[in-house]
Amino acid sequence: DAMVIQNPRYQVTQFGKPVTLSCSQTLNHNVMYWYQQKSSQAPKLLFHYYDKDFNNEADTPDNFQSRRPNTSFCFLDIRSPGLGDAAMYLCATSRDGKETQYFGPGTRLLVL
Amino acid sequence: RKEVEQDPGPFNVPEGATVAFNCTYSNSASQSFFWYRQDCRKEPKLLMSVYSSGNEDGRFTAQLNRASQYISLLIRDSKLSDSATYLCVVNVGRNYQLIWGAGTKLIIKP
Repeated sequence: DAMVIQNPRYQVTQFGKPVTLSCSQTLNHNVMYWYQQKSSQAPKLLFHYYDKDFNNEADTPDNFQSRRPNTSFCFLDIRSPGLGDAAMYLCATSRDGKETQYFGPGTRLLVL
Repeated sequence: RKEVEQDPGPFNVPEGATVAFNCTYSNSASQSFFWYRQDCRKEPKLLMSVYSSGNEDGRFTAQLNRASQYISLLIRDSKLSDSATYLCVVNVGRNYQLIWGAGTKLIIKP
């Protein structure tokens, strides 16, 4: 089945220790998104790729970076995680950005 | 004012009842609308798109009111498995992003 896969599902890191979250998709969608979601809040868009074009949200901290080496993979790098970065990180894809977004199962990040 | 607003609930509803909730949006140029469902500690999943003419999928009916800038979701004959958070999502057509509401929590009681 075509799907969006995120690894790991759970990540524990230490304050200030860099961490990388990964997302892969078999849908062949050209748009990929990274969201941060905290408890009882809406998903917050961090950035997205339209093909290879990177689009950063104005309020996304510099601490968050992303890489998309090819159509199928996208990575979220958190350079120096703080306690406030503990959240669920959701990867999503869509075709041309105008249709439904399909989400991966998320990575739950805990910062100690 | 938030771009997309929802009553956070929770809505506590007995099994078998009908429940409805609304979502208001501020941008009159909004182009497309969706309801997503999110179970606790899981990812959002598309429940249904909302068309201008309204649409129905089994027990679920979605309506769009452009004049008053809101969308609604009606659930008939509610089941225990309908317990979840329902997120309203609006595409305002800028830069391929969706604007998410914070969700309405629904609890169906036996």
